[in-house]
Amino acid sequence: AQSVAQPEDQVNVAEGNPLTVKCTYSVSGNPYLFWYVQYPNRGLQFLLKYITGDNLVKGSYGFEAEFNKSQTSFHLKKPSALVSDSALYFCAVRDMFGSGTYKYIFGTGTRLKVLA
Amino acid sequence: KAGVTQTPRYLIKTRGQQVTLSCSPISGHRSVSWYQQTPGQGLQFLFEYFSETQRNKGNFPGRFSGRQFSNSRSEMNVSTLELGDSALYLCASTETGTGVEKLFFGSGTQLSVL
Repeated sequence: AQSVAQPEDQVNVAEGNPLTVKCTYSVSGNPYLFWYVQYPNRGLQFLLKYITGDNLVKGSYGFEAEFNKSQTSFHLKKPSALVSDSALYFCAVRDMFGSGTYKYIFGTGTRLKVLA
Repeated sequence: KAGVTQTPRYLIKTRGQQVTLSCSPISGHRSVSWYQQTPGQGLQFLFEYFSETQRNKGNFPGRFSGRQFSNSRSEMNVSTLELGDSALYLCASTETGTGVEKLFFGSGTQLSVL
């Protein structure tokens, strides 16, 4: 079965510094990977996805993610963090069933705190 | 277009009761999936509906059920509530349900079981 792991419960970074939120995956076949962000009292919002193609994926709000097949990682990055980036971030992978249907498997989330 | 709407926003129930949560997807979206979010556990998949048919179900007991109507609106029901059912329940919709699209999430229903 497919799975994702987010090894850090919380990441603290100073405003203006680069940020990285880590995600590793375990899949059979080609992975379909996603990042979502959740602000307080809100549902999740899509940031970006990797299906195929370039290993560097650009997404919303200046975020990007690097797909690394050899390290089975899909880390989320941003060159310069903003206080408003403080939120809960989830990595997800699509898990296909034999019937051709699917579900998404989410990581446990990483809380990002950007300090002014 | 209006986003995904979930009602009610908050619910307080006692053990043994049952509860029904509602989700209205984005207009034109045919796939609706439900997730349970608890601190430390992330999001756990409950089930997914497409054109009124349940296509997949997660590892939850039979007390958790759902359905989808012809207008794509979906409901989930939890019977005989337990304390451990306290969680944020999120629904998400996609247009074609192919698994490569982004999910559009509602703000969730926060269920507290006392």
